[in-house]
Amino acid sequence: GAVVSQHPSWVICKSGTSVKIECRSLDFQATTMFWYRQFPKQSLMLMATSNEGSKATYEQGVEKDKFLINHASLTLSTLTVTSAHPEDSSFYICSAQRGDYAISEQYFGPGTRLTVT
Amino acid sequence: GNSVTQMEGPVTLSEEAFLTINCTYTATGYPSLFWYVQYPGEGLQLLLKATKADDKGSNKGFEATYRKETTSFHLEKGSVQVSDSAVYFCALSGRGGGNKLTFGTGTQLKVEL
Repeated sequence: GAVVSQHPSWVICKSGTSVKIECRSLDFQATTMFWYRQFPKQSLMLMATSNEGSKATYEQGVEKDKFLINHASLTLSTLTVTSAHPEDSSFYICSAQRGDYAISEQYFGPGTRLTVT
Repeated sequence: GNSVTQMEGPVTLSEEAFLTINCTYTATGYPSLFWYVQYPGEGLQLLLKATKADDKGSNKGFEATYRKETTSFHLEKGSVQVSDSAVYFCALSGRGGGNKLTFGTGTQLKVEL
């Protein structure tokens, strides 16, 4: 149990276009989902935290108008990279958490490789 | 703020060798500590965790002890296998941080026959 999927697994887009990445919890309801960005040989950096039905909370330095997050249901969150530029090329990873306990485990998706040309 | 420092890789070992991956942290209060593993082409998986000082997390032969006095959570395994080849991430979650995870940079482990 506790499987999280992401779609697509990789995407190539042209500069200036928008790309949507989906994150789904397949066998549980996720009260909270997280979006991370991972650069090559670097750590995961938290971009934003989203709770179902409310606005996402963005980390300092993350442009909320560029990285639109929608958590429309307890099993789906989407990240839309708007007006993508080559510097947005990265590996985007989501995680989902169930329960509201302080140490509730996060379950991670396999990631989405975005390349902007 | 919170931070995690772990040893740089890659670490290359022969099968059945002893493994240690160092991890130290900086945090206010009493964080929970985690080790995650990322196998090639897969998402991060929780390997083990510890939620208070002196707790030992263990799973699949891996162990790590929460050492508050040295702010460390070193990962160890007595005898590694080729199938352990992966990237290992140390992470912490502060109790006041709303379950936000702060990750180390990851350590790649390569185990050879």
